[in-house]
Amino acid sequence: GNSVTQMEGPVTLSEEAFLTINCTYTATGYPSLFWYVQYPGEGLQLLLKATKADDKGSNKGFEATYRKETTSFHLEKGSVQVSDSAVYFCALSDINDMRFGAGTRLTVKP
Amino acid sequence: KAGVTQTPRYLIKTRGQQVTLSCSPISGHRSVSWYQQTPGQGLQFLFEYFSETQRNKGNFPGRFSGRQFSNSRSEMNVSTLELGDSALYLCASSLADRGFDEQYFGPGTRLTVT
Repeated sequence: GNSVTQMEGPVTLSEEAFLTINCTYTATGYPSLFWYVQYPGEGLQLLLKATKADDKGSNKGFEATYRKETTSFHLEKGSVQVSDSAVYFCALSDINDMRFGAGTRLTVKP
Repeated sequence: KAGVTQTPRYLIKTRGQQVTLSCSPISGHRSVSWYQQTPGQGLQFLFEYFSETQRNKGNFPGRFSGRQFSNSRSEMNVSTLELGDSALYLCASSLADRGFDEQYFGPGTRLTVT
């Protein structure tokens, strides 16, 4: 079956530091991959997505590349801000299934 | 465009009772999915409805059920509540005609079972 494994947190960084949150997946077919972000007290918001191998999703300075050879979709940002503090979820979908990773809590300190 | 709305936002119920949660999707979205979020199990998919039909279902007991109306609004019902049903229940809507595409989440309903 499908599954998503992401880096456990929490992750604490200083403002302007480089961010990487690792995500790997297991899937039988050709899934779409997503990163969602959840701010305190809110639902999830789509951050970026990629639908096929070698696609790069990007939004608000965040990037992730769909790597089929390593079954990975790592999230990166070159310079984090305090406002990026949130929980980040890696997710996978195919025609019948939607799976989320456990979530990684990021705290950015000034 | 208005986002996904969920009502109520908070609920406290007693073990053994039943509960109904409501979700109004973004206008034009015909797919509505439900998820349970808990600290221990994370985000788990409950079911997905498209044009009033349950299209996909997660691995939850039959106490969890749902339906979708002709205006795409959806409800989920949990009968015979257990303490372990305490969770944040999230609804999401999507334009996807097939499978799951990017989803737009509501703020959730926080259910506490005592």
